[in-house]
Amino acid sequence: DNQMTQSPSTLSASVGDRVTITCRATQSLSSWLAWYQHKPGKAPKLLIYKASSLESGVPSRFSGSASGTEFTLTISSLQTDDFATYYCQQCKSELCTFGQGTKLDIK
Amino acid sequence: QVQLQESGPGLVKPSETLSLTCAVSGYSINSGYSWGWIRQPPGKGLEWIGNFHHSGTTYYSPSLEFRVTISLDRSKNQFSLKLTSVTAADTAVYYCARSNGLGGYVYWGQGTLVTVSS
Repeated sequence: DNQMTQSPSTLSASVGDRVTITCRATQSLSSWLAWYQHKPGKAPKLLIYKASSLESGVPSRFSGSASGTEFTLTISSLQTDDFATYYCQQCKSELCTFGQGTKLDIK
Repeated sequence: QVQLQESGPGLVKPSETLSLTCAVSGYSINSGYSWGWIRQPPGKGLEWIGNFHHSGTTYYSPSLEFRVTISLDRSKNQFSLKLTSVTAADTAVYYCARSNGLGGYVYWGQGTLVTVSS
């Protein structure tokens, strides 16, 4: 199966900072990569799908990009509401795996 | 508005079968998309369990494929998860979700905690 290596595992940042989170796949995904925001006690929220498509209703400060088997989630200017855990997920040929998660906390 | 709601026992004994149901409202499960289950053990990350694809094919995580079954009940507009021979390692919050057809899960249930303990 296609394993996802997500980094960093934790990230401390301040409101207004630009942050990036990376996921690396072991095989080509053909852009079948999604990003989620997850807060305690709530369901994960889809942010980005197909590597760079912004889900409806998600603020434009979130963006996704891809280069080969490396995928990046960027938050251009952190807001208070953005402190959460972020996961990448690949679903190639209907078999999915999640990255290990990145906990984004306040510096 | 598409809504999903998990239900089932919150406590399961070791070696028994975990059974959960996801009731769907606001959308007919006969109309397409994939229906999946994801779990999160306490203090750990998200783990994909499997999907029921709209084609009728099921896909399971290789680490769980010999113990898991996902099925649809089209008459009740719901789908279910069965996980056999559970151990404490299966203790987790279990989520049901619907795909967007483009590799992401766009609609999720609120999650239900299942504890495996005698």
